[in-house]
Amino acid sequence: DAKTTQPPSMDCAEGRAANLPCNHSTISGNEYVYWYRQIHSQGPQYIIHGLKNNETNEMASLIITEDRKSSTLILPHATLRDTAVYYCIVRLGGQNFVFGPGTRLSVLP
Amino acid sequence: EPEVTQTPSHQVTQMGQEVILRCVPISNHLYFYWYRQILGQKVEFLVSFYNNEISEKSEIFDDQFSVERPDGSNFTLKIRSTKLEDSAMYFCASSDLRAPEAFFGQGTRLTVV
Repeated sequence: DAKTTQPPSMDCAEGRAANLPCNHSTISGNEYVYWYRQIHSQGPQYIIHGLKNNETNEMASLIITEDRKSSTLILPHATLRDTAVYYCIVRLGGQNFVFGPGTRLSVLP
Repeated sequence: EPEVTQTPSHQVTQMGQEVILRCVPISNHLYFYWYRQILGQKVEFLVSFYNNEISEKSEIFDDQFSVERPDGSNFTLKIRSTKLEDSAMYFCASSDLRAPEAFFGQGTRLTVV
């Protein structure tokens, strides 16, 4: 079973920041937090991952709380093409990825 | 940008037939995975493969399924005696030792009729 909890759905206005929360209260010290997204029935697309520090790349920012029990994925300027299901996954290196139901983000014009 | 390639994109087969789904992982990646997603449901792990052997498999991955790396580039999933409930999207993924993220292919939609 997935070790994360996410809201089932969220809306965001186009051009605004989308902040997607994730709870992972049972995360262990060596587990990373990963974010993937799936647009329609395409293959899951890697977004970002982190261990303890906040991370940023060209797609998004990942904010991890100091106790590592929760995190937030931030899409700084959401576009219609960001409409997708977003998955938060915690994983040890080498293990498989366990997908939960994710958050269905709808970016509205 | 390197990507995981899956063929075919759509496969229709009759119940009871065998199918082979093919994947070309990203070059130099050493870990390979198969996942499936039944329509409207979540992505489910099937099997992971490293160093020419299965490293982990789920309860779904029973004797009906097998994986193989027949050469240096392909990674295949064989489903024997297909059933209606095997209809799903099947995703291949790969990762390497240095970068922990896995990259997924666009999937093969398997329809069993």
